[in-house]
Amino acid sequence: GENVEQHPSTLSVQEGDSAVIKCTYSDSASNYFPWYKQELGKRPQLIIDIRSNVGEKKDQRIAVTLNKTAKHFSLHITETQPEDSAVYFCAASGAYNTDKLIFGTGTRLQVFP
Amino acid sequence: DSGVTQTPKHLITATGQRVTLRCSPRSGDLSVYWYQQSLDQGLQFLIQYYNGEERAKGNILERFSAQQFPDLHSELNLSSLELGDSALYFCASSPKGHWDTEAFFGQGTRLTVV
Repeated sequence: GENVEQHPSTLSVQEGDSAVIKCTYSDSASNYFPWYKQELGKRPQLIIDIRSNVGEKKDQRIAVTLNKTAKHFSLHITETQPEDSAVYFCAASGAYNTDKLIFGTGTRLQVFP
Repeated sequence: DSGVTQTPKHLITATGQRVTLRCSPRSGDLSVYWYQQSLDQGLQFLIQYYNGEERAKGNILERFSAQQFPDLHSELNLSSLELGDSALYFCASSPKGHWDTEAFFGQGTRLTVV
């Protein structure tokens, strides 16, 4: 079945450094790849997404890259700040008519001042 | 506030019991998705409804069932509860029947089975 692998499971960085989280997916028909941020005890919230017809997307300090051939996508956070500390989930959709969004297992990011 | 409302926020119940979790999607959203998040775990897809009909199913146990009503709110029924069912249950809604746009999550229902 569909599967999304996410690495690393935990990531600690110094404030101002960059953080990179990587995901791979199994369903070659996947065409939508969102990233969600979940702060402790709160609901997941979308921070950025990318569709299969785009290789890279950037929004201020956050960027996502997609390599459809390798079935691999990554989240890049530059100039990290303590408020970036949270759990980040990647996800991949199924084919148009499968209507599933499969999440990765999450990365706990800690940004130290 | 995402516009997705889940009730109750917290629920404590005993093993063997049955509970119902409720979700009201954002106004105009036709799809409702249910996810289970166990302690320090990822989001496990349970089931999706679109405009009243079941659309997709994940690793949902037979003891669990769901439905979406004509007013588009959804209920997740969990029966014969076990300790391992303790988790945060999220509902999400989106306008369409498939994932190509942002889905909005509710605040979740924290279920504790004792």
